[in-house]
Amino acid sequence: DTEVTQTPKHLVMGMTNKKSLKCEQHMGHRAMYWYKQKAKKPPELMFVYSYEKLSINESVPSRFSPECPNSSLLNLHLHALQPEDSALYLCASSPRLEERSYNSPLHFGNGTRLTVT
Amino acid sequence: AQKVTQAQTEISVVEKEDVTLDCVYETRDTTYYLFWYKQPPSGELVFLIRRNSFDEQNEISGRYSWNFQKSTSSFNFTITASQVVDSAVYFCALSGSSNTGKLIFGQGTTLQVKP
Repeated sequence: DTEVTQTPKHLVMGMTNKKSLKCEQHMGHRAMYWYKQKAKKPPELMFVYSYEKLSINESVPSRFSPECPNSSLLNLHLHALQPEDSALYLCASSPRLEERSYNSPLHFGNGTRLTVT
Repeated sequence: AQKVTQAQTEISVVEKEDVTLDCVYETRDTTYYLFWYKQPPSGELVFLIRRNSFDEQNEISGRYSWNFQKSTSSFNFTITASQVVDSAVYFCALSGSSNTGKLIFGQGTTLQVKP
């Protein structure tokens, strides 16, 4: 069983809908990540939170809005998405995001398969 | 610039065969880490191994072994006596001091093990 839990597992939404993806970890990790993965491609980094503050935004369109309410939770709010945004969205966590900890392996969740119609 | 190349897009073997997945990387960092992840059809990326740039010892874990050669910038992964459950996409990834928080993934190798 994964230690990073993502809900929902599957989501179908229209282009005018507003939805949210949720991610939860109880490993005491202080860095949390959102990745987007298209079919037959590697994951692409979207956002990184460190100690509940946004640390990295990989120039993601504003229709994706991340939120980190506390150290265990990470949300991704979706609004006015396009069909090309359909993908697997992966959440991950690691102990820290400090300079000397870039060796920490990421712990990934099972992902949310998003389809935008 | 940092880059990871997995030249093998798809590999198909019959159960019990040995298979090697290749990974070649590029980085200017003197300190860096290399990873292998497995992604089964369920979607989760499973961490398999981490190796730092100062440790060139090969590692064996059960049927899995890794060969890190700094001279050729390669970090290859061998599965001995493959099993159907090994069928998955395998990603090699790089993390270095110049890109804290960012994993550079290769394109992935899809391994199919047939019974």
